[in-house]
Formats: sequence, structure tokens, C-alpha cells
Amino acid sequence: KQEVTQIPAALSVPEGENLVLNCSFTDSAIYNLQWFRQDPGKGLTSLLLIQSSQREQTSGRLNASLDKSSGRSTLYIAASQPGDSATYLCAVRRINTDKLIFGTGTRLQVFP
Amino acid sequence: GAGVSQSPSNKVTEKGKDVELRCDPISGHTALYWYRQSLGQGLEFLIYFQGNSAPDKSGLPSDRFSAERTGGSVSTLTIQRTQQEDSAVYLCASSLVVLAGSGTDTQYFGPGTRLTVL
Repeated sequence: KQEVTQIPAALSVPEGENLVLNCSFTDSAIYNLQWFRQDPGKGLTSLLLIQSSQREQTSGRLNASLDKSSGRSTLYIAASQPGDSATYLCAVRRINTDKLIFGTGTRLQVFP
Repeated sequence: GAGVSQSPSNKVTEKGKDVELRCDPISGHTALYWYRQSLGQGLEFLIYFQGNSAPDKSGLPSDRFSAERTGGSVSTLTIQRTQQEDSAVYLCASSLVVLAGSGTDTQYFGPGTRLTVL
């Protein structure tokens, strides 16, 4: 059974800091891994999708890496801003399934 | 519309009543998913539709839950005889599956329906 864990559960940092969110999964047989942010009342926004054959993806100040063999992914946020405050979720899609298995999320607060 | 839409945004109902939740996926997306997010728990998969294939219902928690997708577009999630433990945010997502198994399909989520069962 695929289990997805995110550490830390919550993080509070001052504006401008670089930070790393961690995601680990128990079954390395995956199609892809996706990072989302969730804002209250606004559902989920897809940030980055990494295919199983890829090592990393970048979008603006965000960089996500994937080490499939060790079952780990990290989301790096550079020069954090108060607008980055949200809950960040990682989700994996196992081979031969179409559903995403989500982690429990990291609640990030960036204060001015 | 440009994104996935869901209605209603909030629903309060009494225990034992039936409810219907609606999802309008992104136009042209062939895959549609329902998830549930309960307080203190993560997002859990409920059901998945892909084209004309039989839906994957493996995540439905009980036979009180059912879903249909008419004409390959709009989907309705129905919960019969609602219980208090059904209270949650129900999220719908859609994706464009260009090549099955390619791992390239990003899921786009709607804003969700917050269901409260009194």
C-alpha cells in the first residue's frame, strides 16, 4: 500500500528565507509526483509535476526534485514571500492506477 | 469556463437526507476524479472516470455513495442517507489524458463543495 508522508507538518518563517518541504513515499513504482498548494476555500492549485523519468522541475522560485529509488521528493521555495503562505501537498500516482495518493500536507506561514 | 467548477460551494443538510454535488470539468478533459478531504485527514480518492471506460469506484466508502458522468462531461456525486461522518470538502478534478501511462497528465482541481451534515 502506498503511503505518502510530508515533513514538517507546519512551518513558520520570515519573509525572504529559502525553504525546503519534504515528501516521502513507500512504493517507488510511480508514474509521476505532483506538488499542489491549497488556499482556504480555493481548492488545489497544481505547482509542478515530475514524471518518473525526470529528476527535477522548475517554475519561477519553485524547484521540485524527485529521487524515485529512495522514495523522496523535495519542494524548494526561494526567497519566500507572504503570498506563499498556504498548505502544500504532494501526491503520487502509482503505476497502473489513475488515482493520486496525497500526503497530509505542510502548512506554511511566511510572515513579513 | 477556464477551470473546473463545482456547485454548490456549500451545502448544509440534515442527517438521513440525500445530496447531489455537481462538477463541471475543463472542456475537452477526458478524465474526471472525485476526492474527499475530511477535517484532520488528507485527501482521499473516491472515484475516477476516463472516457467510455468503466469508472474506478475503488475509493467509494460505502454503497450510499455513487457518481455518474453524463455525456463524458458533467459529473454528479450522490450521497444517500447522509451521515455526520460524511461532512467534508468534496473536490473534483479533471485532466487531459493524451497518452495513457505517460505520466504527463496534470490534474486540475475545482474549488470544492463543503458538505456539513447536521
